[in-house]
Amino acid sequence: EPEVTQTPSHQVTQMGQEVILRCVPISNHLYFYWYRQILGQKVEFLVSFYNNEISEKSEIFDDQFSVERPDGSNFTLKIRSTKLEDSAMYFCASSWHQDGILTDTQYFGPGTRLTVL
Amino acid sequence: AQSVTQPDIHITVSEGASLELRCNYSYGATPYLFWYVQSPGQGLQLLLKYFSGDTLVQGIKGFEAEFKRSQSSFNLRKPSVHWSDAAEYFCAVGGGKLIFGQGTELSVKP
Repeated sequence: EPEVTQTPSHQVTQMGQEVILRCVPISNHLYFYWYRQILGQKVEFLVSFYNNEISEKSEIFDDQFSVERPDGSNFTLKIRSTKLEDSAMYFCASSWHQDGILTDTQYFGPGTRLTVL
Repeated sequence: AQSVTQPDIHITVSEGASLELRCNYSYGATPYLFWYVQSPGQGLQLLLKYFSGDTLVQGIKGFEAEFKRSQSSFNLRKPSVHWSDAAEYFCAVGGGKLIFGQGTELSVKP
């Protein structure tokens, strides 16, 4: 069964450094998402991406964050200058959304645990 | 504001006992509702979803959920819990962007 994959599984970085989290969505999916979960808190939406542009973003997704689909298979989240509070589990998800109906199931990857020291 | 509340942070049940996990939502439009499960070190796996139609939906692993519009609830149930069901369960609402509840951690006693 197709699945969403994410690399690395765990990333440790120093405050102020840039990190890139990578995701390979399911191959025929059209919509891509990033969520994060700070330890002990809810899973929070960060951004959705469709047709090579951001379709929606949350207040969390400020100028230090960016997303990109550099090729036909990868979907990346870049954090330009990491802060301690960026430490969290970051989940990538993808969905098909037939006919533009935003109700299709989102399939999640296993997550990347980001630790900022 | 759109939100999801899972009132129970942690539930412990005995193996073979029935289970009900509560979920209440606040959503302006017709809600699309989901239950996901997360085992340690794993991603979020979809258990079931409700978009429209029959308010009792069946999912994987023997789970079901009932949508009650009058109560703004979408509770998850299983008639007989197995030890492998121990995990964290998340209720979510949305179309596109998902809004998650806090999660309920389920422990199963032998």
